[in-house]
Parts: sequence; C-alpha cells; structure tokens
Amino acid sequence: DAGVIQSPRHEVTEMGQEVTLRCKPISGHNSLFWYRQTMMRGLELLIYFNNNVPIDDSGMPEDRFSAKMPNASFSTLKIQPSEPRDSAVYFCASILTIGTDTQYFGPGTRLTVL
Amino acid sequence: GENVEQHPSTLSVQEGDSAVIKCTYSDSASNYFPWYKQELGKGPQLIIDIRSNVGEKKDQRIAVTLNKTAKHFSLHITETQPEDSAVYFCAARPGTYKYIFGTGTRLKVLA
Repeated sequence: DAGVIQSPRHEVTEMGQEVTLRCKPISGHNSLFWYRQTMMRGLELLIYFNNNVPIDDSGMPEDRFSAKMPNASFSTLKIQPSEPRDSAVYFCASILTIGTDTQYFGPGTRLTVL
Repeated sequence: GENVEQHPSTLSVQEGDSAVIKCTYSDSASNYFPWYKQELGKGPQLIIDIRSNVGEKKDQRIAVTLNKTAKHFSLHITETQPEDSAVYFCAARPGTYKYIFGTGTRLKVLA
C-alpha cells in the first residue's frame, strides 16, 4: 500500500487566496484526521471523520477553514481566505477502525502564506 | 483541560548511550499511549505504543513504561544509533479517537 497520500507537498500562496489541501487515506481505513503542526502549538487536531462523516470539528480554527470527505478515498481541507498565521504543516492521518489504535500519517503539506 | 507535557525538548547523546524521554498526561481517562518518530520532511510514524492495562512494553532497542498512578509514561532507547536522530512525540488518547500530543523532543545522536 502507498500509505496516506497528501498533495501538494508544498504550497506558497498570498494572503487572501484560497488554498485546498488534499488527502487520500489508506485503502480500507474508515477514519480520517486532519492535523496542523506549528512550532508554537505543536500537533493540533483540526477535524475527525468517521465513515466520511465529520464527527468532531471543534479544532477548526475559524470559519475560514472547511473540510470535506465526499467518499472513503478522498478528503480536502480548504482555507478561504488564507492568512499568514495559517502557515504551518498540515497532516492527514487515517485509522483502519476506531479502536484499532494505529494512526498512519501522511507526509504533510507545508503551507506558506505570504 | 487535556494536556500532555513532554521533556526534554532537546536531547543529545553519544552513539551507544541510552536516551529517555518523559511525558505526563492530565486526563485520567487516557487509555492508550503511542510514541511517534518524525524525521525531517516526513509525517510522524508510530514506533511503539502501550495500553493502560500494561506497565511496560519492549521492542528491540525501544521500550515504553507507564505509571498510571502518577500519570507518567516514558520512552527508552538503548544503544542509540545516528539513525535514531529525529523528533519524538508522545501522545495520550483520553477517548476513542482524540489524541493529545506532547510538544516533541529533538533527539541528536552524536557519532
């Protein structure tokens, strides 16, 4: 298996622009997480999906952030409009089934908002 | 609220020596404690984990200990090698899906 796939790996954009990050979980995994990693705040859970349904989005910073999971093999995290403070590494992770514990992370997308 | 403290933030050891990283969690409902290794430009990778009904677990050069009473858990790496150099994160899971991560320890193994 190719593991969790994220794209793009690097994104540089200007303040105010829309940014879309993409994630393909491991085939057969039914739970997906989006995390944000910064030096100041470490790894923060943004949103969690189970069977394509958002279960907990309490970590989403504000209305500028939105996430979707239209099917079991694809999820997007969108920031509109982007701001410099959104600069971070965004990770997607998946788990086979809640309770099986092992969380597999993707390589991340490094986002820079100028 | 839910919190995981991790120490030290940086650790340098000579090749062959042991390294110990310690974490303390706040939520007594936590039942699962994974450790991740993150190399430069990559996502965190699980290296070992322990559940709340176990006090110690070992996998080759890596071991984890858990003290539920004190809410402490630690990662022990013996016979360190240069390829062990990375950032290590502990985490605690207080429910079924939410993981609270520590702030990370940058380990440098000096050849």
